[in-house]
Amino acid sequence: KQEVTQIPAALSVPEGENLVLNCSFTDSAIYNLQWFRQDPGKGLTSLLLIQSSQREQTSGRLNASLDKSSGRSTLYIAASQPGDSATYLCAGINAGGTSYGKLTFGQGTILTVHP
Amino acid sequence: GAGVSQSPSNKVTEKGKDVELRCDPISGHTALYWYRQSLGQGLEFLIYFQGNSAPDKSGLPSDRFSAERTGGSVSTLTIQRTQQEDSAVYLCASSLDVPHSRLRNYGYTFGSGTRLTVV
Repeated sequence: KQEVTQIPAALSVPEGENLVLNCSFTDSAIYNLQWFRQDPGKGLTSLLLIQSSQREQTSGRLNASLDKSSGRSTLYIAASQPGDSATYLCAGINAGGTSYGKLTFGQGTILTVHP
Repeated sequence: GAGVSQSPSNKVTEKGKDVELRCDPISGHTALYWYRQSLGQGLEFLIYFQGNSAPDKSGLPSDRFSAERTGGSVSTLTIQRTQQEDSAVYLCASSLDVPHSRLRNYGYTFGSGTRLTVV
């Protein structure tokens, strides 16, 4: 059974800092890994999708990496801004067996960027 | 539409009543998921539809929960005899699912959710 863990559970930083959010998964049989952002009371917004054949994806100030062999992904946020404050979730898309296609989520990292 | 649409956005119901939650996926998306997020908790998988295959219902918490997907598009999640512990945000997601094709770039698009409160 796939288990996804995110560290840290919460992070508070001053504006302008570069930061790293960590995600680890127990089953390397994933198709893709997707990072989402969730604002309070809102749904999930997709940030980055990394295919299993890729090692990283970049979008603006965000960079996500994937190392399937070690079961890890990181989300790097450069020059953080107060508007980045949200919960960040990573999810593996399972590649096979009875869990094919399922998204398995971590518990999330609550990020607060203060001015 | 351009995104995944869920209705209603908010629902307050009395304990014991039945409720129906609706999800309109992105046109052409063959995979549809329902997830539940309780206050302060992570996302809990409920049910997965993929094309004409039998749905994966392994995440439904009890037989009071059921879901249908008509015509491979709109899905309805029904909760019968609601209980207070059913209070949560119910999220729907859809994807262009291409089995066995690792070269296709697909991911999941989520709706804004339905916030269900059972009083």
